[in-house]
Amino acid sequence: DVKVTQSSRYLVKRTGEKVFLECVQDMDHENMFWYRQDPGLGLRLIYFSYDVKMKEKGDIPEGYSVSREKKERFSLILESASTNQTSMYLCASSSRPEAFFGQGTRLTVV
Amino acid sequence: GEDVEQSLFLSVREGDSSVINCTYTDSSSTYLYWYKQEPGAGLQLLTYIFSNMDMKQDQRLTVLLNKKDKHLSLRIADTQTGDSAIYFCAETGSGGSNYKLTFGKGTLLTVNP
Repeated sequence: DVKVTQSSRYLVKRTGEKVFLECVQDMDHENMFWYRQDPGLGLRLIYFSYDVKMKEKGDIPEGYSVSREKKERFSLILESASTNQTSMYLCASSSRPEAFFGQGTRLTVV
Repeated sequence: GEDVEQSLFLSVREGDSSVINCTYTDSSSTYLYWYKQEPGAGLQLLTYIFSNMDMKQDQRLTVLLNKKDKHLSLRIADTQTGDSAIYFCAETGSGGSNYKLTFGKGTLLTVNP
């Protein structure tokens, strides 16, 4: 059974903290993605990676960075968390045509 | 850039068929997808269709693709209360980012007993 696992389901962080969201896949997929989901805005792509150490900006990269040191792991970093980064964060991995999602991390920044 | 549009709400009675529609703008889309999201959960891949196909059937699900009109639909036969969820249409774009998924805003399907 395919598996994309996000390290936390729920997270509460303080404004200004550095936050790490981790995602691991066990399907040996080349491509991995981070999206955020907000009511009325749908899913918006933050960053994606098509290979180890390779990354590309998505539609809303500001305030975020990513790291992909190993093929199976893709980390999203909030350099200095702000309240407008309170959201549901979804990780995905794909080897076309199939793309699978993790269970999501609901992040609240207070 | 790519754009994917869906109606936001659909309400049906249990046992009826549901049809969720989607339009997209990228004429070079190669794959089109339907995902299901239940409350508080991630997205579950339901099915996908390659752009040179017109139709794909998988148990209660039927996907129709009209490439000329850039229109995709998902039909759920004999809709059940467990089908209540948000359904997302998505497509893979073209060019160097052809592995990137672009999503619609989702259609909330409510199934009434």
